[in-house]
Amino acid sequence: SQQGEEDPQALSIQEGENATMNCSYKTSINNLQWYRQNSGRGLVHLILIRSNEREKHSGRLRVTLDTSKKSSSLLITASRAADTASYFCATDAQGGSEKLVFGKGTKLTVNP
Amino acid sequence: DARVTQTPRHKVTEMGQEVTMRCQPILGHNTVFWYRQTMMQGLELLAYFRNRAPLDDSGMPKDRFSAEMPDATLATLKIQPSEPRDSAVYFCASGLGLNTGELFFGEGSRLTVL
Repeated sequence: SQQGEEDPQALSIQEGENATMNCSYKTSINNLQWYRQNSGRGLVHLILIRSNEREKHSGRLRVTLDTSKKSSSLLITASRAADTASYFCATDAQGGSEKLVFGKGTKLTVNP
Repeated sequence: DARVTQTPRHKVTEMGQEVTMRCQPILGHNTVFWYRQTMMQGLELLAYFRNRAPLDDSGMPKDRFSAEMPDATLATLKIQPSEPRDSAVYFCASGLGLNTGELFFGEGSRLTVL
């Protein structure tokens, strides 16, 4: 069963715009991760945020975590056509578990 | 450039046939996971190993699926007999466990059962 649920399911924007994807989860976590998947490829890890962190940056990526609301957001700034992919959040299945449970993802299309 | 290697990349088979998918995890990683991805269900965790020992295969249909790690460089996922509903992309991922949390995924094995 999915622990994380992404929203929206699909997002289409123009190059240069910012893209925001949200993830909600159900149980307590130790960390939350975001992954990217290009069509026909495997998932690639983007960023991990721990439960005691509220915000984290990596290049054009900004992730926030609100444990009181059990939600996270991924912001991609100044999007590029190459950012077109599906984005997944993943949480440890039970707090402290090595197992990751993934949501169904947000499909992002960045139009040139 | 360390990567998780999966074979075959594509497999088309007929219902009832045995299918074996193989995975070479990244050297030094102590956790290995098998996931299945479909449009309807998304990514489902099938099985999970730590230091080659199976820790959780609760996501796997036991009557037809089996997962093993004969050695540290090879993980296998076997389906026998295969059914059309097994058609999916199967991903192997490896990691360093709670040390980092991050998983490294292979490119997947796309299975079509006719």
